[in-house]
Amino acid sequence: GAVVSQHPSRVICKSGTSVKIECRSLDFQATTMFWYRQFPKQSLMLMATSNEGSKATYEQGVEKDKFLINHASLTLSTLTVTSAHPEDSSFYICSARDSRAGGVYEQFFGPGTRLTVL
Amino acid sequence: DQQVKQNSPSLSVQEGRISILNCDYTNSMFDYFLWYKKYPAEGPTFLISISSIKDKNEDGRFTVFLNKSAKHLSLHIVPSQPGDSAVYFCAATDEGGGADGLTFGKGTHLIIQP
Repeated sequence: GAVVSQHPSRVICKSGTSVKIECRSLDFQATTMFWYRQFPKQSLMLMATSNEGSKATYEQGVEKDKFLINHASLTLSTLTVTSAHPEDSSFYICSARDSRAGGVYEQFFGPGTRLTVL
Repeated sequence: DQQVKQNSPSLSVQEGRISILNCDYTNSMFDYFLWYKKYPAEGPTFLISISSIKDKNEDGRFTVFLNKSAKHLSLHIVPSQPGDSAVYFCAATDEGGGADGLTFGKGTHLIIQP
């Protein structure tokens, strides 16, 4: 149980284009999902908290107009990198918390998406 | 400013011995701590967690110890196995304050030698 998928696993795009990354909880419902970013040999950095049916909460320094987050259902959150530039190249990982868990705070992570912007 | 610190970038342990990974934190509001294992180009896999109301949690070969006064936690793996070779991340969160996101350390690369 507690499986989270991400799609695509790898994407290469041209500078200026937009890229959408999907995060799905496959066997549980997640009212809250999280988006992280990891640069090579760096820690995972929280970008934003995605709440089903409401606006995402962004961490300081993360541009909300550049990284659009939509959490339209209890099993799907999407991150759209708009007008991507080479500095946006990174490993993007989502996580989800089981809404039924009640008091259990573990987050289950997706496999990640490697974005390369040329 | 790093709120969660893993000061050892790498650790090499012989198979069968105990692996001890350390983590320090500075934010006294953190009340829940987690350890994740991560392979390159994959998402982290949850290992074990501990609430600030406890000082020890054990799950099979994995035990996490928490010393609140020292703001220090450690992950013990015994006995260490070759499949344990990976990067281990310590993470913390302020659940009581409603901050759900995790703050991660930089990770420790554990290498189990045969």
